[in-house]
Amino acid sequence: EAQVTQNPRYLITVTGKKLTVTCSQNMNHEYMSWYRQDPGLGLRQIYYSMNVEVTDKGDVPEGYKVSRKEKRNFPLILESPSPNQTSLYFCASSPGPGPYGYTFGSGTRLTVV
Amino acid sequence: QQPVQSPQAVILREGEDAVINCSSSKALYSVHWYRQKHGEAPVFLMILLKGGEQKGHDKISASFNEKKQQSSLYLTASQLSYSGTYFCGAYSGAGSYQLTFGKGTKLSVIP
Repeated sequence: EAQVTQNPRYLITVTGKKLTVTCSQNMNHEYMSWYRQDPGLGLRQIYYSMNVEVTDKGDVPEGYKVSRKEKRNFPLILESPSPNQTSLYFCASSPGPGPYGYTFGSGTRLTVV
Repeated sequence: QQPVQSPQAVILREGEDAVINCSSSKALYSVHWYRQKHGEAPVFLMILLKGGEQKGHDKISASFNEKKQQSSLYLTASQLSYSGTYFCGAYSGAGSYQLTFGKGTKLSVIP
């Protein structure tokens, strides 16, 4: 089944404790992206990747890091999480930017206390 | 800059029609539409490319006016299953590879 898999689904952590949210897709998609979703703000893009070793900032990249060492994986790293990073995070992939629809993962609900 | 969606919320009875609008301050190469049900991930509905085309998906269709930098989503004879939050995504092309979403329109269909 074609899918984007995120782990974990839920995570509660403490301020300052480094964490990684994993994202993997099995569709051989070139393009992958991370979004955060907050009430009333919609989906805001954090980072995106056009291909292996090619990443770029979205609209809200502060406090996040990403890497794309393999085509299928695009982990999101929070090196020193803070409470304002409490949010619902979605990973998405598509064959490329622009004329293709995105497939979203199931989401990761992160709480930073 | 996020595209602007209107209305923010709408309540319909089954069988009624609705229109959701999406406008951008930037020139658009394409517009995406997604639906998100409560507690789930957004699901792709359709994409409209530059050229003013209209697309359909069952009783849901959309139009794209690139001159006005606007898109509209039309829901005809709404069903209970149409309930959810609808997001438009704007892609401006021209060297930008970002898909920027609006804040969403919450649609509730009641019996």
